[in-house]
Amino acid sequence: AAGVIQSPRHLIKEKRETATLKCYPIPRHDTVYWYQQGPGQDPQFLISFYEKMQSDKGSIPDRFSAQQFSDYHSELNMSSLELGDSALYFCASSLDPTHEQFFGPGTRLTVL
Amino acid sequence: AQKVTQAQTEISVVEKEDVTLDCVYETRDTTYYLFWYKQPPSGELVFLIRRNSFDEQNEISGRYSWNFQKSTSSFNFTITASQVVDSAVYFCALSRMDSSYKLIFGSGTRLLVRP
Repeated sequence: AAGVIQSPRHLIKEKRETATLKCYPIPRHDTVYWYQQGPGQDPQFLISFYEKMQSDKGSIPDRFSAQQFSDYHSELNMSSLELGDSALYFCASSLDPTHEQFFGPGTRLTVL
Repeated sequence: AQKVTQAQTEISVVEKEDVTLDCVYETRDTTYYLFWYKQPPSGELVFLIRRNSFDEQNEISGRYSWNFQKSTSSFNFTITASQVVDSAVYFCALSRMDSSYKLIFGSGTRLLVRP
């Protein structure tokens, strides 16, 4: 069965650089969530989209922005990267907001 | 505010032992969902189960079983006859039934199953 696809899987950036993470949801899923998991921590909700509209926003820095496109894929844009942004970034998708979320493999971002 | 507490930081068992992972939650909502996810060493998050607050029936799936008790705000997870492949971090999570259904995770329990 098709799963959530995230790219890239690994990303190394310098401080103050920008990064773009991509997420391709499971086919027919119209809802996307982004979570950030720091080392040894639980995943923290960043932002979500339903039918290409932002549905909720969590602890997402102003330096980060995201959107969901017409084909339902989503991109998380991160600017002025800081050392503390180093984390595993998960995207999850669901058939609609009322259904369970299935997670992608994550993008491991390292900021040097 | 919603909160999920997994008091057991790390559990170590010998293969074939039964093990229960505890999860206690706090919410003022009358309707909500509870979840368990598994995060193996490879890092992905694997969905295990979702229960809604209306349904307190226990559930069994192979060696896995879940006990949901609203009276104690607990949603515990038991693995019977544990195997080495069960070694992972297990997260309990809660979501409101609102516009986004975002997940609020507990801090996780690391389970180590030794051969």
